[in-house]
Amino acid sequence: KQEVTQIPAALSVPEGENLVLNCSFTDSAIYNLQWFRQDPGKGLTSLLLIQSSQREQTSGRLNASLDKSSGRSTLYIAASQPGDSATYLCALPRGTGTASKLTFGTGTRLQVTL
Amino acid sequence: EPEVTQTPSHQVTQMGQEVILRCVPISNHLYFYWYRQILGQKVEFLVSFYNNEISEKSEIFDDQFSVERPDGSNFTLKIRSTKLEDSAMYFCASTGTGSSEAFFGQGTRLTVV
Repeated sequence: KQEVTQIPAALSVPEGENLVLNCSFTDSAIYNLQWFRQDPGKGLTSLLLIQSSQREQTSGRLNASLDKSSGRSTLYIAASQPGDSATYLCALPRGTGTASKLTFGTGTRLQVTL
Repeated sequence: EPEVTQTPSHQVTQMGQEVILRCVPISNHLYFYWYRQILGQKVEFLVSFYNNEISEKSEIFDDQFSVERPDGSNFTLKIRSTKLEDSAMYFCASTGTGSSEAFFGQGTRLTVV
């Protein structure tokens, strides 16, 4: 059974700092890994999808890396802004098909202060 | 940009009542899902649906729950007799065939009183 852990649970940084969010998983036989953003009381916004064959994926100020052998992914946010304040979730599908359910981590709640 | 839409955004219901949560997945997607998130807890998988049938369901998805795709666009989750512990945010998601990237709706907050 896939277990997904995110550390830290909460993080507060001043505006402009670069930061790294961590996601660990127990079963390295993964198909891909997806990072989401969740604003309080809102839905999940897909940020990045990184395939198992990739080591990195970039979108704007966001960069996700994947190390399957060690069961880790990181989400790097450059030059953080107050608008980046949200909870960040990583999720992995069970199995290899597009119909696979996602297993979510507990999330990292990020606050970027002025 | 295509998006998953859910209605209503918030539903309050009395314990024992039936509720139907509605979702319109992205139009060319073929795989549909329901997840829920109890306040302060992880997002949990409920059910996946493909080709007009359930492909997988979790232990949470008991006989009180059912899903349906009544027409070519809507995907619904029905809870027959709501319990207090059904209070949660319910998310609909869909994926396409070319990519397994999952797109989620904004959720329906269900409050059972």
